[in-house]
Amino acid sequence: IVMTQSPDSLAVSLGERATINCKSSQSVLFSSNNNNYLAWYQQKPGQPPKLLLYWASTRAPGVPDRFSGSGSGTEFTLTISSLQAEDVAVYSCHQYYTTPSSFGQGTKLEIK
Amino acid sequence: EVQLVESGGVVVQPGGSLRLSCAASGFTFPDYTMHWVRLAPGKGLDWVSLINWDGSVIYYSDSVKGRFTISRDNSKNSLYLHMSRLRTEDTALYYCAKDCDFGGNCFDFWGPGTLVTVSS
Repeated sequence: IVMTQSPDSLAVSLGERATINCKSSQSVLFSSNNNNYLAWYQQKPGQPPKLLLYWASTRAPGVPDRFSGSGSGTEFTLTISSLQAEDVAVYSCHQYYTTPSSFGQGTKLEIK
Repeated sequence: EVQLVESGGVVVQPGGSLRLSCAASGFTFPDYTMHWVRLAPGKGLDWVSLINWDGSVIYYSDSVKGRFTISRDNSKNSLYLHMSRLRTEDTALYYCAKDCDFGGNCFDFWGPGTLVTVSS
């Protein structure tokens, strides 16, 4: 499954909304449990990725509620409702519906 | 506290071999499927391999199949990746990652990574 994110980079003002999109080349929705096998990760410079969301919209423990995920099937969105300085990072979507799993190319989020 | 610490990354010539290790602590290591994921310069994250709890289920990406071997030692809480016939395109930061607690093969904890450079 090929994962494609848009945009490749994004500059948003502090306090504003940031939106990142992710499309999969085939559906990652498992009909028997109605779960989308889609995760989002945040990677800050010099750090490993950090899990933000799984099942497309469930926040991982400790993740602030300004981070939210939506979408189903093949189209997904990560939204940061009010951008903070510490949110500067690369964000990647990840499908784990199939093995091999696959990632989007990453979206670099900066402060405008 | 979950901790994953990779080691073994070095500069190696094309065609060479290398073994990476990942020491795990803070969770019941034998209960979890474990993964290797890499990040090459200027590229996105790239899943490499997984091994289930007892080593009976193993998968590789097509790009490393036949060259890399994943293994684990549950008595030592350790994960390994033996890499052979290395290519310049294998140059990357290699992470070990733990399967999510929540079901499905997402990754809820990652190590800091170990750098493998394949260059003559």
